[in-house]
Amino acid sequence: AQSVTQLGSHVSVSEGALVLLRCNYSSSVPPYLFWYVQYPNQGLQLLLKYTTGATLVKGINGFEAEFKKSETSFHLTKPSAHMSDAAEYFCAVRNSNSGYALNFGKGTSLLVTP
Amino acid sequence: DGGITQSPKYLFRKEGQNVTLSCEQNLNHDAMYWYRQDPGQGLRLIYYSQIVNDFQKGDIAEGYSVSREKKESFPLTVTSAQKNPTAFYLCASSIGGAGQDTQYFGPGTRLTVL
Repeated sequence: AQSVTQLGSHVSVSEGALVLLRCNYSSSVPPYLFWYVQYPNQGLQLLLKYTTGATLVKGINGFEAEFKKSETSFHLTKPSAHMSDAAEYFCAVRNSNSGYALNFGKGTSLLVTP
Repeated sequence: DGGITQSPKYLFRKEGQNVTLSCEQNLNHDAMYWYRQDPGQGLRLIYYSQIVNDFQKGDIAEGYSVSREKKESFPLTVTSAQKNPTAFYLCASSIGGAGQDTQYFGPGTRLTVL
């Protein structure tokens, strides 16, 4: 089975500072990994995904993530935080045993302070 | 505009009552999914369907039922057997069941038991 673990349920950064949200995965097969963002009382929006190929993946809103097989990690970064980045972020891995549904981490709430 | 719609946005249920949450998509996607979100728990899979007239249980299917009579519709019924139904429910769809396909999410329905 595939699973992900998000380290840190809450992360606080200053506006303009680096954003780093951590995600580690466990998978017996090559993983397909995703990062989603959720604003309060809304659905999830895809930020980026890794399937195959280039290990550095660029997404929307200036976010990127690097797939590191040796570290089983898929951390999300953004060089400079904006106030509008404050939201809940979810890392997910495709579950090949459940119709390719997603197995989600518990989420990381990002707070951006002025 | 193509997308996924969920209705109602807010739903209140009395004890012992069945309620049905609507999910409709006009993306021509074959696969559809229902997830439940609780604070600090991430999202958990309730049911999924990869094709019309077929669906499978996810990790937390007890107390829920679904149907898939049309490609664009995947309603979820929360029955009185579900002991703790208060949660945020999210519907998603993808082109097919391939691992690299992106899942698109609806805006969600917040269910509260009175």
